[in-house]
Amino acid sequence: QKEVEQDPGPLSVPEGAIVSLNCTYSNSAFQYFMWYRQYSRKGPELLMYTYSSGNKEDGRFTAQVDKSSKYISLFIRDSQPSDSATYLCAVGSMDSNYQLIWGAGTKLIIKP
Amino acid sequence: NAGVMQNPRHLVRRRGQEARLRCSPMKGHSHVYWYRQLPEEGLKFMVYLQKENIIDESGMPKERFSAEFPKEGPSILRIQQVVRGDSAAYFCASSPPGTKNIQYFGAGTRLSVL
Repeated sequence: QKEVEQDPGPLSVPEGAIVSLNCTYSNSAFQYFMWYRQYSRKGPELLMYTYSSGNKEDGRFTAQVDKSSKYISLFIRDSQPSDSATYLCAVGSMDSNYQLIWGAGTKLIIKP
Repeated sequence: NAGVMQNPRHLVRRRGQEARLRCSPMKGHSHVYWYRQLPEEGLKFMVYLQKENIIDESGMPKERFSAEFPKEGPSILRIQQVVRGDSAAYFCASSPPGTKNIQYFGAGTRLSVL
């Protein structure tokens, strides 16, 4: 079993829809949860960063962490074609707080 | 404040040649990380460096790969005697002191080995 599981997609939704992207992880020691966005042939861009459980909102983006079920989510409201990219989740722990464990990424396509 | 700068963006090498990839971290950042990404795959950690020190190289292949972050100048990832399997995108990230989980990435170097 991989430490972080993420459905590779592609996930195709119409413009304006609410998008839900998810990852599951296996190690309960993880306390840091990140979402990155990566456009084709570009570097990953940090979108959201959460420590421990709970929700965090930034504009159209909401990150959610459920530590009891080891499940993290990224919601995108009012999706735009410019949101089309690969979304990578990453997790880390205090014990090794620099070595992030990465999901494989979900390719998201927003259709105009 | 410039972001993480990587060069070259694209690098083509023939089998057996050496590849040198450079990374300048964001201003004020003292931690540098190198990752490798194959097509349709996630990022794989290679090495973590601070100035003049390799902190963790557990993700580096034992042979042909080396990394440095000198007191002056960029961090260098060096691949000797490249093989076709080394073809990938190599990303560098940096983080400020005290927040090693928050890593900011460069645009990457795409290495193609002919």
